[in-house]
Amino acid sequence: AQKITQTQPGMFVQEKEAVTLDCTYDTSDPSYGLFWYKQPSSGEMIFLIYQGSYDQQNATEGRYSLNFQKARKSANLVISASQLGDSAMYFCAMREGGSGGYNKLIFGAGTRLAVHP
Amino acid sequence: NAGVTQTPKFRVLKTGQSMTLLCAQDMNHEYMYWYRQDPGMGLRLIHYSVGEGTTAKGEVPDGYNVSRLKKQNFLLGLESAAPSQTSVYFCASSLLAGGPNTQYFGPGTRLTVL
Repeated sequence: AQKITQTQPGMFVQEKEAVTLDCTYDTSDPSYGLFWYKQPSSGEMIFLIYQGSYDQQNATEGRYSLNFQKARKSANLVISASQLGDSAMYFCAMREGGSGGYNKLIFGAGTRLAVHP
Repeated sequence: NAGVTQTPKFRVLKTGQSMTLLCAQDMNHEYMYWYRQDPGMGLRLIHYSVGEGTTAKGEVPDGYNVSRLKKQNFLLGLESAAPSQTSVYFCASSLLAGGPNTQYFGPGTRLTVL
C-alpha cells in the first residue's frame, strides 16, 4: 500500500542556514508524483514543489529544492538560506499513477520547522 | 481571484446534529477534494469528485456525504455528527489529474462536535 513517512516531528535551524526535511515513500506504481506543502500557523496549505517519478532532474523552485533519490524512495525537501517566515509545518505528499489516479494525494504526518534568529 | 473558498470558517455542533460545508472554486477546475486534518496527522482524503455530477469515496468516507451539482461547488455533509468528526476540514481543487497538476487548498473549516 502506498505510504508516506516523515520521521522528523520537529526541526530547528538558524536563520540563513540550509535545512533538509526528510520524506520517504512506498509505492509499487512506476508512475507517481511527489509534492511538498507548507502550512503556516494561519492554517492554509501552500504548494511548494513537485517531482515526477520520471523526471530526470531534481526539482527546484527558488530557495526550495527536492533531493529525489528514486532507488531509496526518498524525496527530501531542502530549504536554502532559511528565513523566519519559513517557520511552519511541512507536509510531503504522493500521488500514485497518472491521470487515472485522479490526483488523489496521500500525506505524511508532517515536520514542524522552527527558524531561529 | 478568490481561488478556493470555504464556508463556514468555524462551527460547533452537538452530537447528532447535521451540517453542510460549502467549498467553492473560481478556477474552472475539474477535480475537487475534501480532506480532514487531525492533530499529529497529515491530511486524509474523505471524498473527491472528477467532474460535475460525479463523486467517489476516499480514504475515510464513513459518516460523510458529498454532492457536486455545479462544477464550481463541492458540498460536504454530516448527517449525524459525532465527536470523532471534530477536525479541520480542507477543500482542494485541481485543473486536471496527473503530472504536476497541483491541488489548491481552501483556508479550512474548524469543526468541533460536542
